[in-house]
Amino acid sequence: DSGVTQTPKHLITATGQRVTLRCSPRSGDLSVYWYQQSLDQGLQFLIQYYNGEERAKGNILERFSAQQFPDLHSELNLSSLELGDSALYFCASSTKTGKVEQFFGPGTRLTVL
Amino acid sequence: DAKTTQPPSMDCAEGRAANLPCNHSTISGNEYVYWYRQIHSQGPQYIIHGLKNNETNEMASLIITEDRKSSTLILPHATLRDTAVYYCIVRSTADSNYQLIWGAGTKLIIKP
Repeated sequence: DSGVTQTPKHLITATGQRVTLRCSPRSGDLSVYWYQQSLDQGLQFLIQYYNGEERAKGNILERFSAQQFPDLHSELNLSSLELGDSALYFCASSTKTGKVEQFFGPGTRLTVL
Repeated sequence: DAKTTQPPSMDCAEGRAANLPCNHSTISGNEYVYWYRQIHSQGPQYIIHGLKNNETNEMASLIITEDRKSSTLILPHATLRDTAVYYCIVRSTADSNYQLIWGAGTKLIIKP
């Protein structure tokens, strides 16, 4: 158990819908990262927050957005969902933005029908 | 783009040492080598990292060649639970965002 929690574990929805994925980092970790993993592919970095502020952006679509709240939990919002958005979404946290040892949550499996 | 090259798959007998190679011929002086693994769609797990000296922890050993162009992750006594995809990642600590760039990794299968 990494100490990072993600909810929900599974999510099934239809095209065009909007969903919110939630992540709670390890106690004391200020940095949160979001990754997408499509079927049988490597992880793609989406976005990073550090202490409530956006720190880095990867290949995140404009239909996707994220935020980190004062209690340090983070939410990833996915809108106008397409079939291709079906994937595992992982959240990771680290003690600070300079610490590369990232601790990953169990992921949310999103299925868009 | 990933800066590392790994074999797509490897087999190892249970109880033997598993040696996973990684080529990072374009690595620069301030870049570290990190290893993570992912067991069947679970969240990736940090294993070890190093700069130029060999490193060992409770999970594995990391051997980095003198020219730093390649490295080997060693699992000394592989068990069935070590079956996973192993990712070798080169990462600079000089960058400001510290995102990890993931390649395809090596699928390691431990056989009884």
